[in-house]
Amino acid sequence: DQQVKQNSPSLSVQEGRISILNCDYTNSMFDYFLWYKKYPAEGPTFLISISSIKDKNEDGRFTVFLNKSAKHLSLHIVPSQPGDSAVYFCAASIYNQGGKLIFGQGTELSVKP
Amino acid sequence: EAEVAQSPRYKITEKSQAVAFWCDPISGHATLYWYRQILGQGPELLVQFQDESVVDDSQLPKDRFSAERLKGVDSTLKIQPAELGDSAMYLCASSPTPGGTQYFGPGTRLLVL
Repeated sequence: DQQVKQNSPSLSVQEGRISILNCDYTNSMFDYFLWYKKYPAEGPTFLISISSIKDKNEDGRFTVFLNKSAKHLSLHIVPSQPGDSAVYFCAASIYNQGGKLIFGQGTELSVKP
Repeated sequence: EAEVAQSPRYKITEKSQAVAFWCDPISGHATLYWYRQILGQGPELLVQFQDESVVDDSQLPKDRFSAERLKGVDSTLKIQPAELGDSAMYLCASSPTPGGTQYFGPGTRLLVL
């Protein structure tokens, strides 16, 4: 049972444009959501997070939106840069159950010059 | 900037051999996690420590995998005997508290021949 799903395995965007990465979840108990970026042969790097009490969190070029009723979150990158090319994972957890992260399958973003 | 350290970065072994991976979390982080990531999938939790105690090892294949964090600081994950299906990236993460943001190390890429 895949509790966190990223249905797009890949996304290609032109430099300077907006990248939108999507993530859906099924467990309504999740209350903390994170996005990680991963380069090949490296560990995931934390990008941005959002608590379920919010619907938006912004950090520089990165914004995460949470729609609890739809059980959907998205990561917006504006403007996209070639260095943003990587695999992006969304993850979810239940804060008072130890913080175990449930990851999606990842979306590979390619930003073309 | 403090980082999670892992070694070795790469390990090639033959099936039925024993392998061990080491992790040193960010100083002061009481919670330590070991994840396994198979190519094309998101990381999956193997074991979670709070200080020196195991709080979740429900997904750890205990017939061949063991993990310890004797002094509540660094940790070792062992596989004995290794099987072909164990080939994956093994990731260590730490957080200051359970449920807090997790920061990942660079991982150990294991190849079992």
